[in-house]
Amino acid sequence: QVQLQQSGPGLVKPSQTLSLTCAISGDSVSSNSAAWNWIRQSPSRGLEWLGRTYYRSKWYNDYAVSVKSRITINPDTSKNQFSLQLNSVTPEDTAVYYCARGADYDSSGYYRPRFDYWGQGTPVTVSS
Amino acid sequence: QSVLPQPPSASGTPGQRVTISCSGSSSNIGSNTVNWYQHLPGTAPKLLIYSNNQRPSGVPDRFSGSKSGTSASLAISGLQSEDEADYYCAAWDDSLNGWVFGGGTKLTVL
Repeated sequence: QVQLQQSGPGLVKPSQTLSLTCAISGDSVSSNSAAWNWIRQSPSRGLEWLGRTYYRSKWYNDYAVSVKSRITINPDTSKNQFSLQLNSVTPEDTAVYYCARGADYDSSGYYRPRFDYWGQGTPVTVSS
Repeated sequence: QSVLPQPPSASGTPGQRVTISCSGSSSNIGSNTVNWYQHLPGTAPKLLIYSNNQRPSGVPDRFSGSKSGTSASLAISGLQSEDEADYYCAAWDDSLNGWVFGGGTKLTVL
């Protein structure tokens, strides 16, 4: 059973950096058939995918256009976890942040990409 | 405006059947599969339907999904009070090179 455990501060000052970590159990951050994602949810914007990191013989990252200039997602293979850094935050970045596993294949081996396991969510407020 | 427009709200009485639509384009729904997520306040979103019409283990068969062209829909039959939640569609977008979500539909069970 895959479990994702999030950690990080719930309050960040404007212009500073939001940093969160997602620890993985039951799978590997270096898996060749999964991607490790950050997604946020706010009342005004609903669910918003922020980006992902994944390993396919080498490491790759994809980021949402809306945050591409401010975001970094890094894997940490020694701790089997991955992290989110979002720079220069504003009150618009206030949201509940989730990490999620993006699985590529189902149990029958068919390519069916989806977010199948989620972290518990971290409410983050950007305020001075 | 979301990349995948959904109606902001839907409602039904217990036992009824409701459908929620999700509209996309050739770069997302038109060329990739659609997933649906159920989100209850204070909890993590839950995968409800994947690959247009597949149910994960444990999801009741009251929930079904379909896709036609650049649109998709989620149907819930035999509506129950515990189905009251927000529902989101999602698909990979080839032009944006990323996942896109619908704006979400708040389902109220009257």
